[in-house]
Amino acid sequence: QSALTQPASVSGSPGQSITISCTGASSDVGGFNYGSWYQQHPGKAPTLMIFDVNNRPSGVPDRFSGSKSGNTAFLTISGLQAEDEADYYCSSYSSTSTLVFGAGTKVTVL
Amino acid sequence: QVTLRESGPALVKPTQTLTLTCTFSGFSLSTSGMCVSWIRQPPGKALEWLAFIDWDDDKYYSTSLKTRLTISKDTSRNQVVLTMTKMDPVDTATYYCARVLRRRGSGYYWAFDIWGQGTMVTVSS
Repeated sequence: QSALTQPASVSGSPGQSITISCTGASSDVGGFNYGSWYQQHPGKAPTLMIFDVNNRPSGVPDRFSGSKSGNTAFLTISGLQAEDEADYYCSSYSSTSTLVFGAGTKVTVL
Repeated sequence: QVTLRESGPALVKPTQTLTLTCTFSGFSLSTSGMCVSWIRQPPGKALEWLAFIDWDDDKYYSTSLKTRLTISKDTSRNQVVLTMTKMDPVDTATYYCARVLRRRGSGYYWAFDIWGQGTMVTVSS
C-alpha cells in the first residue's frame, strides 16, 4: 500500500487561496468517497479538517473545503491566515479494507 | 469530554515486542459504531496507519505490517492494546491512538476525530 502523492510544499500570502492535491488510484481515492484531510502543527497531534471528501467537522472554519476529481482529492484553504501554516495530510480508505495516508504537504504563509 | 492517552515503553531493543496501551474516556467501545485506531509517525516523516478495531471486535491491519501487529480491546477498562513484534530501528516513531468518527445512527467514517498526544518509541540497542 503506497502513500498517496502530495506536493512537498505549498505557499501563499495572507488572504490568498491555496489548493493541495492528493493523488492516489482507483483502488483508494478514486474508488471511494472516504477521503479525509488532517492539519498538524509542529509537535502536536493531527486535527481532522475534512472527512468524506468535502465534510467539515464542527469547529473547522469554512475557509477549509475539500473536493475530488478522479483519483485526486483536493484541499482548498481560502483567505489564508498565519495560523494555517502547518503540515497537511490526506488519507483514503482502500479496497483492501485498509487506510493510506499521503506523504504530507508543508504549507507556508508568506 | 473525549480523551485518549497512549502509554508504553519509551525505549525497546531490536527484535523485542512492543506493547502500547490506549486508555480513553468519554465514550465506550461497546457502543455501536465506536472504533479506535493506531497511527504512527517517524521523526520528520509522514503519518502511517497501523490498525483499527471496532465495537464488534472486527480488526483491520496495515497490509505491510499485518504479520507483526495485534490489536485488542478491553471494553471494561476502556483500553485498546497494540502489540508489534520484531521491533527494528526503523520502527522508531511517535505512536498515536485515535477515535474513529462515528456516523449518526450506525457505522463510522474512515476518519479520526480525536487523537491522543502520542508516545515516542525509540528502538535501539
